Amino acid sequence: QVQLVQSGAEVKKPGSSVRISCKASGDTFSNSAISWVRQAPGQGLDWMGGIVPIFGTTHYAQTFQGRVTITADESTGTIYMEINSLTSEDTAVYYCARGTGYRDHETGDYIYFGMNVWGLGTTVTVSS
Amino acid sequence: EIVLTQSPGTLSLSPGERASLSCRTSQSLTTTYLAWYQQKPGQAPRLLIYASSNRATGIPDRFSGSGAGTDFTLTISRLEPEDFAVYYCQKYGSPPRFGQGTKVEIK
Repeated sequence: QVQLVQSGAEVKKPGSSVRISCKASGDTFSNSAISWVRQAPGQGLDWMGGIVPIFGTTHYAQTFQGRVTITADESTGTIYMEINSLTSEDTAVYYCARGTGYRDHETGDYIYFGMNVWGLGTTVTVSS
Repeated sequence: EIVLTQSPGTLSLSPGERASLSCRTSQSLTTTYLAWYQQKPGQAPRLLIYASSNRATGIPDRFSGSGAGTDFTLTISRLEPEDFAVYYCQKYGSPPRFGQGTKVEIK
């Protein structure tokens, strides 16, 4: 049974960056898509972006494009997400989640399906 | 950009009652590309339903999903105490997108 193990809580200053990690335990990321989902305090779920290691492709929600970078280290089975230019609005719990999908050969888009395995979340607090 | 609207925002019911949660999309989903999740306080979301009507592994059969096009429904046939939580729908896609959630609370 695959589990996703996320790195620990972070406290950051406004304007700084944070990198959080997500490691697969019990399986690899092969043939899956890994998403990052943000949940601000008392709010809903917000898909930030994802990576498909088998294709080496990354995808970002428009809101986060240019400020978030998702990478994979296949040698260690770890996915990373880095967020730059942090503000207090980035204070949230960040989840990595594993799912599947497919590449639409007409549009070239990768269609992300549902996410059936979730990490426990990493709390990032941005405060001066 | 497809928007998902869940209703009601809060559903107040008693254990044993039936719950019906709605998820409407601003554009028709060409296939049944919709999932439902349950989230309890302090926990990660859990996948309940995928492809509109298929229960994920280990999900009790009191949970069912239905719908197509722009209207989707999650039904909990008889609420158990552990079912009181927040439920989210999510459309598949590029990007995938979540609804704002429905809270099912004890009446």
